[in-house]
Amino acid sequence: DAKTTQPTSMDCAEGRAANLPCNHSTISGNEYVYWYRQIHSQGPQYIIHGLKNNETNEMASLIITEDRKSSTLILPHATLRDTAVYYCIAWAENTGNQFYFGTGTSLTVIP
Amino acid sequence: DSGVTQTPKHLITATGQRVTLRCSPRSGDLSVYWYQQSLDQGLQFLIQYYNGEERAKGNILERFSAQQFPDLHSELNLSSLELGDSALYFCASSEGAARQETQYFGPGTRLLVL
Repeated sequence: DAKTTQPTSMDCAEGRAANLPCNHSTISGNEYVYWYRQIHSQGPQYIIHGLKNNETNEMASLIITEDRKSSTLILPHATLRDTAVYYCIAWAENTGNQFYFGTGTSLTVIP
Repeated sequence: DSGVTQTPKHLITATGQRVTLRCSPRSGDLSVYWYQQSLDQGLQFLIQYYNGEERAKGNILERFSAQQFPDLHSELNLSSLELGDSALYFCASSEGAARQETQYFGPGTRLLVL
């Protein structure tokens, strides 16, 4: 299985940037890194994905290291509604065609 | 709103019974994926269909089956239900069948087996 390593939990003050790290040392050279989040028991929500370069959209920024072995998801101004479990997803050669979600990081935004 | 719909939202049934979960993908998406999320297992991929054909299989039990119909909606059939089948079942869809397609998830069906 593809393996990603994320902190089990993190706290962030409301209005501050939330930086969520992920290690994906087995990532293949042409594989994207995806980030999703799941708020309570809702369906996972797509946030962002990237290959080599840093990416930004209306939700977040994604910083991928040059060796592509790790990445950081940045929520620039965290709000209480950003409290969720964040999943970093990367494929390795033997993971087939499906997402492997892992355990994710439980982010709590504190007022 | 992802554009993926799932019915029913909640389902309560008894052990040994059979249920059918339904999923309608986003308009234009040809692939449908099913996932199971239980408390002790996290999100587990079950199966993928692309344009009516089975494309990939994950940790799906033999008691479970799925299909995708010509109108691209999909159904997941769970039979001989056991207490351990109680879980959230999510459907996701993507445009094609490529390995790195962005998947969009529905709101899920919560199944409780008593």
